[in-house]
Amino acid sequence: DARVTQTPRHKVTEMGQEVTMRCQPILGHNTVFWYRQTMMQGLELLAYFRNRAPLDDSGMPKDRFSAEMPDATLATLKIQPSEPRDSAVYFCASGLVLRTVRTYEQYFGPGTRLTVT
Amino acid sequence: TQLLEQSPQFLSIQEGENLTVYCNSSSVFSSLQWYRQEPGEGPVLLVTVVTGGEVKKLKRLTFQFGDARKDSSLHITAAQPGDTGLYLCAGPTSGTYKYIFGTGTRLKVLA
Repeated sequence: DARVTQTPRHKVTEMGQEVTMRCQPILGHNTVFWYRQTMMQGLELLAYFRNRAPLDDSGMPKDRFSAEMPDATLATLKIQPSEPRDSAVYFCASGLVLRTVRTYEQYFGPGTRLTVT
Repeated sequence: TQLLEQSPQFLSIQEGENLTVYCNSSSVFSSLQWYRQEPGEGPVLLVTVVTGGEVKKLKRLTFQFGDARKDSSLHITAAQPGDTGLYLCAGPTSGTYKYIFGTGTRLKVLA
């Protein structure tokens, strides 16, 4: 049963510290999406990659967030320095394109719950 | 800016009742998707609709895409406690694969 895995599942850190979240997409999926979910803003797209290349990161605060995909089995989202307003659940989704209809089926991981104090 | 508004925001019903939740936009979408999310987990894709007027069924769930491709509905027949969760609609913004998600409908089905 192929699944997206994310680590860590929970992270509590102090303001100013660096946070790295990791995602292993489903083997064979060439697209990875990073989302953030909060009660106030709902689910927001931060960035997405296709074939390991960043296609769009306009949803990310550029000064503190960075996303990379060093290889096909690992995507990372880094926050440096972290701030209390970054507290949220961060989801990674791996995507399988439906070419005939130009859309993706997205398979979400379980998320990383980040709390910045 | 494309937005997806969902209604109602919250819904609490008894087991066996029917319900409909709505996803509306002023913009045209090439496709819309519905997801269900349970506490502590990521959203799970239920369906993708791509053609105006399209109706898809998944057991007791019926999904419809509006003729103008600006709205969608999800109808659940004879709701069960296992249907409890957050229902989200989502679609790609015009000409891109940047997905936006709706505001969500939080459903609770009481036994």
